[in-house]
Amino acid sequence: QLQLRESGPGLVKPSETLSLTCSVSGGSIYSDSDYWGWIRQSPGQGPEWIGNIFFSGKTYYNAALGSRVAMSVDTSRNQFSLRLTSVTAADSALYYCARVRMATVTRYNFYFMDVWGKGTTVTVSS
Amino acid sequence: DIQLTQSPSFLSASVGDRVTITCRASQAINSYLAWYQQKPGEAPKLLIYAAATLQSGVPSRFSGRVSATEFSLTISSLQPEDFATYYCQQINNYPRGFSFGPGTKVDVK
Repeated sequence: QLQLRESGPGLVKPSETLSLTCSVSGGSIYSDSDYWGWIRQSPGQGPEWIGNIFFSGKTYYNAALGSRVAMSVDTSRNQFSLRLTSVTAADSALYYCARVRMATVTRYNFYFMDVWGKGTTVTVSS
Repeated sequence: DIQLTQSPSFLSASVGDRVTITCRASQAINSYLAWYQQKPGEAPKLLIYAAATLQSGVPSRFSGRVSATEFSLTISSLQPEDFATYYCQQINNYPRGFSFGPGTKVDVK
């Protein structure tokens, strides 16, 4: 059974870089049909998509985060990672990683996040 | 950018009630919408994708419908484990754009 687990520092200072890793077990990140995503959620708010990465390293990011976000993948370790630079208090949130899967319904391809990690809390504070 | 709105924001209901939550998109997204359930302290759980396709293992009391830019999630007979917050998510511009609605919290009347 596929499992995802987020890891990384729980406390980051303002203006520094947030770095998180998602470890994938029970399956391979080397999949030609799945993307891997990062999502965050502030208390009392809905989830916010951060970005997706393919095993090849192809990435797609939420434009609202601009050039601050970068994702990478390490297929040898079955992991993918998130870097968010120049963080502020507004970046404090619960960060999740998830699998983005595709299914074909009536000849059309649909995507959804079907497996999630438990999440890791990141606080930005001096 | 595509915006999603959900109504109501809060809903009080009793076990056995039929509950319907609505999600509206600011523009046409066809059926590129998913529904998630989230309980306190847990990650979101996928319920429905492609607007109306039930994810494997999800009880059949959950159903989804679409009409133009309006989507609905219905729980036919609310169970104790269904008290949670529900989010819709649009994936119309895959893989460049995912966005979630603000959520509907279903609590005990």
